[in-house]
Amino acid sequence: GIQVEQSPPDLILQEGANSTLRCNFSDSVNNLQWFHQNPWGQLINLFYIPSGTKQNGRLSATTVATERYSLLYISSSQTTDSGVYFCAVDSWGKLQFGAGTQVVVTP
Amino acid sequence: EPEVTQTPSHQVTQMGQEVILRCVPISNHLYFYWYRQILGQKVEFLVSFYNNEISEKSEIFDDQFSVERPDGSNFTLKIRSTKLEDSAMYFCATRTGSGNTIYFGEGSWLTVV
Repeated sequence: GIQVEQSPPDLILQEGANSTLRCNFSDSVNNLQWFHQNPWGQLINLFYIPSGTKQNGRLSATTVATERYSLLYISSSQTTDSGVYFCAVDSWGKLQFGAGTQVVVTP
Repeated sequence: EPEVTQTPSHQVTQMGQEVILRCVPISNHLYFYWYRQILGQKVEFLVSFYNNEISEKSEIFDDQFSVERPDGSNFTLKIRSTKLEDSAMYFCATRTGSGNTIYFGEGSWLTVV
């Protein structure tokens, strides 16, 4: 099946810092989503982004489908951004998740 | 934003007992999924359901698991005889059509003791 790799596995940020999370995938996909899993375990949809760039407040994402990667940018990080960020790709009708990036934002 | 609703939010059950997890999909969605996440691990696909039948299932989804949509609204996951290793967060997810955004419920924590 399709392989999804996320980097870095862990990230510690000082409040106010910017960061970039990366997601590489091994085959062409027709959907890519970014999720934030909060400390209560809930998976929050951040972006549906099979290609192109989208922005939502301090978060933005870019997917370059031809090169099989996606980037999630967090700007001016806040402590509420802490949690695990997952990318997931849709291949043949189901989402395949990466292992996630654990983000800790310190005050 | 529309929501996928799951119940219970947390269940503790004894090994060998049957468990039913329930999901109310978003109303115009046609594709339904169950995923699971063992503590500290990534989210894994269990099963997809479309047009009142299973369209795909993973190796995890063995004979002790079943899904159904008995009344046209609730979408359920049944684990017939729970094992310790079934302890996990179970997520229901739905979407309108293939390739579109998948929406996840808040999850049901299952603890098997």
